[in-house]
Amino acid sequence: EDQVTQSPEALRLQEGESSSLNCSYTVSGLRGLFWYRQDPGKGPEFLFTLYSAGEEKEKERLKATLTKKESFLHITAPKPEDSATYLCAVSNYGGATNKLIFGTGTLLAVQP
Amino acid sequence: DSGVTQTPKHLITATGQRVTLRCSPRSGDLSVYWYQQSLDQGLQFLIQYYNGEERAKGNILERFSAQQFPDLHSELNLSSLELGDSALYFCASSVGGANEQFFGPGTRLTVL
Repeated sequence: EDQVTQSPEALRLQEGESSSLNCSYTVSGLRGLFWYRQDPGKGPEFLFTLYSAGEEKEKERLKATLTKKESFLHITAPKPEDSATYLCAVSNYGGATNKLIFGTGTLLAVQP
Repeated sequence: DSGVTQTPKHLITATGQRVTLRCSPRSGDLSVYWYQQSLDQGLQFLIQYYNGEERAKGNILERFSAQQFPDLHSELNLSSLELGDSALYFCASSVGGANEQFFGPGTRLTVL
């Protein structure tokens, strides 16, 4: 069964303290791995798509990487406005749908 | 702003009632997805439509149904509501294939 596990569940950082969030996945055939940011009571905001092992993407203080078993979201010198829940999701090649299978997220709090 | 709109923003109703949630996808997107987000289960895929046709079903209850209209907007109908149906309901859209999905702001459903 396809599955996504994120760790840690929660992470508290000081402003400027870099860290990484982990997303481990088991999927029959990876069509894509997606990172989203979600603020409380809002819809998930798309950040990155990764398709194959070795791929990396960057946006401001965020960098996403992908291996055959996991993905990392690296946060460099975070600011308080980076506080949010970060969600990882995968889609597979099974069937005609590219539905997303989500992990439960990492709640990031960045303190000034 | 993702370009996906959902109405209403909030909905409070009683057990046994029926409600309809509405979603308008981004301009040009043919696929619409519905997801449910509850505190204990995270984001769960419910159903996908592509250009008016049902493409895939996830863990959607028989009391729930959806459709996509010729103008590509979609409606999610929830009937015989139970307390456990209280959740955030998100609509997402994509061009199709392996493309990333863009989420709307959600409808918060409270069943009393």
